[in-house]
Amino acid sequence: SSELTQDPAVSVALGQTVRITCQGDSLRSYYASWYQQKPGQAPVLVIYGKNSRPSGIPDRFSGSSSGNTASLTITGAQAEDEADYYCNSRDSSGNHVVFGGGTKLTVL
Amino acid sequence: QVQLQESGPGLVKPSETLSLTCTVSGGSISNYYWSWIRQPPGKGLEWIGYMYYSGNTNFNPSLKSRVTISVDTSKNQFSLKLTSVTAADTAVYYCSRSPAYTPRAWYFDLWGRGTLVTVSS
Repeated sequence: SSELTQDPAVSVALGQTVRITCQGDSLRSYYASWYQQKPGQAPVLVIYGKNSRPSGIPDRFSGSSSGNTASLTITGAQAEDEADYYCNSRDSSGNHVVFGGGTKLTVL
Repeated sequence: QVQLQESGPGLVKPSETLSLTCTVSGGSISNYYWSWIRQPPGKGLEWIGYMYYSGNTNFNPSLKSRVTISVDTSKNQFSLKLTSVTAADTAVYYCSRSPAYTPRAWYFDLWGRGTLVTVSS
């Protein structure tokens, strides 16, 4: 089992806002990073650090954190945002790297 | 533009050793952590381990006894060896890069396209 817990599936209506969460004790000490993965493709980093976006990632993607929970928010979800989303951070010991189990986002 | 490309056999027999290489093109291997990550068909991502360009390594505790990661800075390549494989090791294997000197943060900013390795006789 992963030290980072994500809801398996989330859905959002086109153009609405959706929040995908990631829970874990290590998130009290470390920021989560977030990855988007579409079928048959490698993951793509969308959020890292406190709330930073790599070049080319739309500003509708944002990140936040409170206590042991990190969140990825998509404001105004688009059809192309339908994908699996994974969070990632250090584990609670700080020595290793872990991924959440992933959340499948459906855009209705 | 830096790119990563995995290479190696797509089929490995049970009990044998899986060997993959990641070639880094368009940039230097220095001052980064270089990781291997895998994804079994239809499942989530699993970090296997990383090597800092200088040689320090760190592995997933669940795989540590079977994993070796090495780097060849002269060729701008790093490699994965996973011994005593079983069908459970069948997965898409990705190589990836993580910046160093990122307090309180760990992230993979660059990924290869991945290569499917099937363990079967």
